[in-house]
Amino acid sequence: AAGVIQSPRHLIKEKRETATLKCYPIPRHDTVYWYQQGPGQDPQFLISFYEKMQSDKGSIPDRFSAQQFSDYHSELNMSSLELGDSALYFCASSLGSLDSYNEQFFGPGTRLTVL
Amino acid sequence: QKEVEQNSGPLSVPEGAIASLNCTYSDRGSQSFFWYRQYSGKSPELIMSIYSNGDKEDGRFTAQLNKASQYVSLLIRDSQPSDSATYLCAEGFQKLVFGTGTRLLVSP
Repeated sequence: AAGVIQSPRHLIKEKRETATLKCYPIPRHDTVYWYQQGPGQDPQFLISFYEKMQSDKGSIPDRFSAQQFSDYHSELNMSSLELGDSALYFCASSLGSLDSYNEQFFGPGTRLTVL
Repeated sequence: QKEVEQNSGPLSVPEGAIASLNCTYSDRGSQSFFWYRQYSGKSPELIMSIYSNGDKEDGRFTAQLNKASQYVSLLIRDSQPSDSATYLCAEGFQKLVFGTGTRLLVSP
């Protein structure tokens, strides 16, 4: 079965640079979620989109922005990168409406290293 | 206080034994709960979801939910060395709130 696709899988950036992470949800899934997982920590919710509209927002820095496109893929844009942004970034997708319980399936993640 | 609490472990069990993983949550209004397995450096993999009080079984896995006591548990029967991983408990209607995870070690 098709899974969530994320690219790139690894990314190395310098401080103050920008990065763009991409997520392609499971076919027919309409909701995308972004999570950040630091070393030894649990995943922290950043932001989510349902039918191309932002549906919820968590602890996402103002330096980050995201959107979901007409083909349902999503991009997380990160600017003015800081050392503390080094983490695993996961995208998850689900099928469902805003008023239903949605099982989320995670992609393989992008490992971002900021030097 | 973290919204979802788990014992970080490690929980060590011999191969073939039952592993019991527990999770408590603070929000009485929480309705949906999930167990994920995560190998080191890999992404969380959904094992079970549970929304109603009682037990839900899927193969070697059984999830239990007790809303009155605000706890969720995961039982793994016939534990295998390949089950050695971190098990994350999560709750959420849309965004997921995770516990810190319990590391399970299954020894041959």
